[in-house]
Amino acid sequence: KAGVTQTPRYLIKTRGQQVTLSCSPISGHRSVSWYQQTPGQGLQFLFEYFSETQRNKGNFPGRFSGRQFSNSRSEMNVSTLELGDSALYLCASSSNGEWEITDTQYFGPGTRLTVL
Amino acid sequence: GQQVMQIPQYQHVQEGEDFTTYCNSSTTLSNIQWYKQRPGGHPVFLIQLVKSGEVKKQKRLTFQFGEAKKNSSLHITATQTTDVGTYFCAGMGDSGGSNYKLTFGKGTLLTVNP
Repeated sequence: KAGVTQTPRYLIKTRGQQVTLSCSPISGHRSVSWYQQTPGQGLQFLFEYFSETQRNKGNFPGRFSGRQFSNSRSEMNVSTLELGDSALYLCASSSNGEWEITDTQYFGPGTRLTVL
Repeated sequence: GQQVMQIPQYQHVQEGEDFTTYCNSSTTLSNIQWYKQRPGGHPVFLIQLVKSGEVKKQKRLTFQFGEAKKNSSLHITATQTTDVGTYFCAGMGDSGGSNYKLTFGKGTLLTVNP
């Protein structure tokens, strides 16, 4: 099976702009989670989607949003970019079912976002 | 909210020495997972522990889950240069109801001198 893919791999934006990142999960996986990774804060959970519904979200401002499509592909959007949004954004999929919450996370290669 | 502390932040060892990283949660966990991230790479799942007091081994790696399900450790025996990377623990809360998020520790960066 192909792994989790993320596009684009690298992105440079300026403050105030918005950005959309894309994630395609492993075939058959319906759960997609997004994480922000920075040297100072480590891996921080953004949100998780299952069957097009956001099941849980972390402690990020409303500028960070996401969605999931019927084919389980997911996008996350960051509006009004700030310098502090520079980070590696990782998407992870799992085979969690509707009532399963503890399965392995398979991470994609990430999108490296730089905000100037 | 749930917090997961991981120590040490960095560890440098000579090849052949042992290495241990520790993970402590502020709340009881339903399970804990361990991941490894090579430099420039993405986290890769290593193992999941679910039961109180559970111990699992993968070749030179030994994982333990504490009796109270609030702490865990990863021990590597006789490190090799291929063990270089950042090791993360990630805990799933045990608060009941829906809680579909993993809380990651900040990781331990292991470097190995050949």
